Amino acid sequence: SQQGEEDPQALSIQEGENATMNCSYKTSINNLQWYRQNSGRGLVHLILIRSNEREKHSGRLRVTLDTSKKSSSLLITASRAADTASYFCATPDRSGGGADGLTFGKGTHLIIQP
Amino acid sequence: EPEVTQTPSHQVTQMGQEVILRCVPISNHLYFYWYRQILGQKVEFLVSFYNNEISEKSEIFDDQFSVERPDGSNFTLKIRSTKLEDSAMYFCASSTAQETQYFGPGTRLLVL
Repeated sequence: SQQGEEDPQALSIQEGENATMNCSYKTSINNLQWYRQNSGRGLVHLILIRSNEREKHSGRLRVTLDTSKKSSSLLITASRAADTASYFCATPDRSGGGADGLTFGKGTHLIIQP
Repeated sequence: EPEVTQTPSHQVTQMGQEVILRCVPISNHLYFYWYRQILGQKVEFLVSFYNNEISEKSEIFDDQFSVERPDGSNFTLKIRSTKLEDSAMYFCASSTAQETQYFGPGTRLLVL
């Protein structure tokens, strides 16, 4: 199965700065997804990038995907205190069809200092 | 905006007891999933469900677990005889064929 692993494990920055998190995976994928989890809460879907895409934007989020290096990055620009959360990448277990389970990494815990 | 809902939010049970966790997926979604997250660990896939049958299951999803869609709206996870190590947050998710999975808020299960 896929195994996304994020780095760094923890990141603390000042409000207004940009935060970059990276994810690596091991085998071919159809897509890669990023999720956010606030402490003790559910997972919020942020963005899905397909294997034929190199970059995708959503508001203050920018995701890149490099399939040759089997890696992805999530950039949050102009960070806010409300961005404090854990961020996970996830990849489908199989072909990327509708019923595939996702394999999650351990996550990056992001702290935004006011 | 439609959301996945889960009940109960918290459940405490004795080891060996059966528990049923309930989920109401987003109404036009066709694919349903259960995941769990043991405290401090990563989210782990348990099972996916489509067209009234299991589509994929992980090694965690052994004979103690079962899933059911008893009516047109609910999706349940049953643990027949709970163990201490079943204590975790259990998340339900649903999706259309477009692959983005939307997660519910979770049920925190504590087995004593």
